[in-house]
Amino acid sequence: AQSVTQLDSHVSVSEGTPVLLRCNYSSSYSPSLFWYVQHPNKGLQLLLKYTSAATLVKGINGFEAEFKKSETSFHLTKPSAHMSDAAEYFCVVEGGATNKLIFGTGTLLAVQP
Amino acid sequence: DTGVSQDPRHKITKRGQNVTFRCDPISEHNRLYWYRQTLGQGPEFLTYFQNEAQLEKSRLLSDRFSAERPKGSFSTLEIQRTEQGDSAMYLCASSLGGGTGAGELFFGEGSRLTVL
Repeated sequence: AQSVTQLDSHVSVSEGTPVLLRCNYSSSYSPSLFWYVQHPNKGLQLLLKYTSAATLVKGINGFEAEFKKSETSFHLTKPSAHMSDAAEYFCVVEGGATNKLIFGTGTLLAVQP
Repeated sequence: DTGVSQDPRHKITKRGQNVTFRCDPISEHNRLYWYRQTLGQGPEFLTYFQNEAQLEKSRLLSDRFSAERPKGSFSTLEIQRTEQGDSAMYLCASSLGGGTGAGELFFGEGSRLTVL
C-alpha cells in the first residue's frame, strides 16, 4: 500500500532563508507524488506534482521538489521564504486507478519576520 | 467562482442528530471525492464517485455515513445519529480523472462539523 511520512510536524524559518520540508514515501510501484498547501480557512491547493517525468519538479510560488528513488524521498524546498508561505503543507501519494490521494500528517510552516 | 463549493461551511449539532453536507464539483469533472480532516491530521479518504457510481468506500465510512451523487453532478454526505467523534472538517474534491498522476484534485473549502 502507498503511504507518505512527513518527518517534521512544525518547521520555523526566518523570512528570506531557505525552506526544507521533508517527505518519505512508500509505494509498491513507481508513485505519483504531490505537495498540497493549506492556508488558514482556505481550500487545499496543489503546489506541484511528480508523475515519473523529470525528477526535479517546479511548482507555484517558487517551490520545487526532487524525487529521489534511492532515498524514497520527495522533499519540498524553496530558496527564500516569504511571510505568505506560512501555511500547512501536505505530502501526498496517489493511491491507484481511482486517483485517490493519500495524505501525510502535514508540516506547519511558520515564517518569522 | 467556478471552483468546488461546499455547503454549509459550518454546522453545529447535538449528538444524535442527522446532518447533511452538499458538494458542487467543477462542472466538467466526472470524479468526486469526500475526505475528512481532524485537527492536526492530514485529510483521510472517505469515498469516491465516478459520475453517479460510488466506486470506493473507506473502512472509515461507518454505516451511519452515506454519500450519494444522484445525477453525476452534486453530491451529498449524510451522517446519521452523529457522535462527538464525527466532529471534523469534511472536504470535497473533484477531478477529471484519467491516467496515473492525472488526478489533480480540486478541493472545496470544507464543511466544519461540531457535534456537542
